[in-house]
Order: sequence, then C-alpha cells, then structure tokens
Amino acid sequence: DTAVSQTPKYLVTQMGNDKSIKCEQNLGHDTMYWYKQDSKKFLKIMFSYNNKELIINETVPNRFSPKSPDKAHLNLHINSLELGDSAVYFCASSLTTGWLSAFFGQGTRLTVV
Amino acid sequence: AQKVTQAQTEISVVEKEDVTLDCVYETRDTTYYLFWYKQPPSGELVFLIRRNSFDEQNEISGRYSWNFQKSTSSFNFTITASQVVDSAVYFCALLKKTSGSRLTFGEGTQLTVNP
Repeated sequence: DTAVSQTPKYLVTQMGNDKSIKCEQNLGHDTMYWYKQDSKKFLKIMFSYNNKELIINETVPNRFSPKSPDKAHLNLHINSLELGDSAVYFCASSLTTGWLSAFFGQGTRLTVV
Repeated sequence: AQKVTQAQTEISVVEKEDVTLDCVYETRDTTYYLFWYKQPPSGELVFLIRRNSFDEQNEISGRYSWNFQKSTSSFNFTITASQVVDSAVYFCALLKKTSGSRLTFGEGTQLTVNP
C-alpha cells in the first residue's frame, strides 16, 4: 500500500529513444507533480497538475510531456532522450488545501547512454 | 522571488554528537510553509516536518527538533545524539500558496554520522 508509486525505479536507455515514467498515488490527493533531481542533488519542479489540469509548467524542453489521465495518475513521457536528461525524477502529490504532508515517490533514476 | 539557502554542503560528525542543519529562506509572502525532507542513500525523499509561517513554536519529535525564527528567516533542524542511520542528505524547502503549490528546495546538506 505504497502512497506514491513510480515505475520503473531504474531506466537505462540510449540517446534518441522515447521513454515514459508512470506515477500513481492512492492518497486521494488532487495535485500531482514531477520534480527533477540533477547530479548535484538539486531538486527542481518540472510540472504540476491539479485535477488533471496543468497548473505549473517550468522551463522544460518540449521533449518532456506530462499526461494525467485522471487525478490519481501523472505520467511523464520524454522524447528523443539526450545525455543531459540523465537524472532522478520524482513524482509527488498533495492536497491543494495545504500540503499537510507532501508525499514523494521513490524516484526513477534515468540514465541515458 | 523565493529562495532557500542551506549553506552547509557537507557535515561530518561522530555518533552521539548533536548536529544542527541550517536553513535560511527568502520570501515576500506572509503566508508560506517550510519543510524538511530526508533523502537516505536508498534515494527516496522522506517527509519530516511542515511548519506554517504563523506558527513559530519550536517542535521536538524524538531526537529531532526544529527551530523556526521568522526574525532571521531561519528554520534550523537539530538532531540530538546522532546515529549512523541519520546519515543522509537533508533538504529544507519553502512553499508559498500563491505559487501554484510549488516547493522551492535548498541545495541540501549531506550529513555523515561516523561510528
């Protein structure tokens, strides 16, 4: 009964490929996020969805496209992967009423070779 | 603009020592939330605490304690009698409700507790 689950946990792929990372939360939260953690451990938001609607879209290449089929899922699709996309990607969820506790998934370590 | 600064990149202590991790934040908002997260070597992000800007009461949870001082825009985290299992990267983060609920993270402090 994991609260926020991401798959896969590890992803190794070649440059130019297209890949997806899936995220699901069973907390009944209405807002979901994607964060990127770079090699220096710095965490930065990429996207945020509230009730399937995009509300935050940081300066992220168009090759990254989030998709939220329902408020319990937020998937991240990446086209034409580049070496610089290698990072750990974290999914998170919260309630808009106040982030009483913001839960993160376990992270997906993406390595582009 | 909002910003979170964790000036200590790395801290190394010996088990049973007390250690304080510093966090200084910048925001013009009057309503905001402050968080601490722990990232152990296994990589997941573990929520530790949330405080809102109207509650400056310090908090203690077991060996952990937090000191929130609005006058100095600081939200420091102290681990008492540190243990090897406390070794992790610790992140301080700031959330303002007007920013679409986005968390702004500090750069993290790598804490190593040696036996």
